[in-house]
Amino acid sequence: QVQLKESGPGLVQPSQTLSLTCTVSGFSLTRYNVHWVRQPTGKGLEWMGVIWTGGSTDYNSALKSRLSISRDTSKSQVFLKMNSLQTEDIATYYCAREKGYYGNIFDYWGQGVMVTVSS
Amino acid sequence: EIVLTQSPTTMAASPGEKVTITCRASSSVSYMYWYQQMSDASPKLWIYDTSKLASGVPDRFSGSGSGTSYSLTINTMEAEDAATYYCQQCCSTPPTFGAGTKLELK
Repeated sequence: QVQLKESGPGLVQPSQTLSLTCTVSGFSLTRYNVHWVRQPTGKGLEWMGVIWTGGSTDYNSALKSRLSISRDTSKSQVFLKMNSLQTEDIATYYCAREKGYYGNIFDYWGQGVMVTVSS
Repeated sequence: EIVLTQSPTTMAASPGEKVTITCRASSSVSYMYWYQQMSDASPKLWIYDTSKLASGVPDRFSGSGSGTSYSLTINTMEAEDAATYYCQQCCSTPPTFGAGTKLELK
C-alpha cells in the first residue's frame, strides 16, 4: 500500500540547515509528484514545494531562496533541505503524494516530523 | 497568491445537527478541495473537485460552491466528525490552504 514516512532531526540550531528525508513505498517517484507541506503548531498548512516526476522542482516563492528538494529514485526517497532556519520555521513537516491526474492535491500524507529551532 | 478565508474559525455542533463551513477565495477558482485533520494526525483528503467525496468519506458530507464561494456541509453531525477542516485551492501557484475550521462536538 502507499506509504510516506518523514525522517530527520527534531532539533535544529538557529541559522543552521534542516535536512529531511521522505521515504515512500507503494508507488514510484517517476510516476507521482511528491510535495512538502508544513504546519506550525496549532496553525494552518503551508505548501513548500514539489519535485515532479521528471525530477524538476517548484518552490513557494516565500521559501525559494532557502529551500531545495531533490530525490533518489533508486531508494524511493525525496529530500528537503532548508537553510538559515529561524524560530518561524518551527513546524511539523509533511511529505505528501500528489493525487494522480490532479495538480497540487494530496491524497496520501506522511505522519509528519516535528522540527524545533533552538540553541 | 490566492487567499482562502474560512468561517467560522471554531464551532461546536450537537449530534444530529447540520453543519456548514464556508471558504471564500480572494480570486475565482475552478474547484475547491477539503481536508480533515484529527488532533495529532496528518490531514486527509476529504472532498475533491468541490463536491466529490474521497474514498471512505461518509455520505453525510457534501461540498458545493463556485467562483469565490465554497462550502462543506455535514448533514447530521456525528461525534467522529469533530476535527479541523481545511479548504485548499490547487491550481493557482502557490497552492494555498484556508486557516482551518475547528469543529467540536457539543
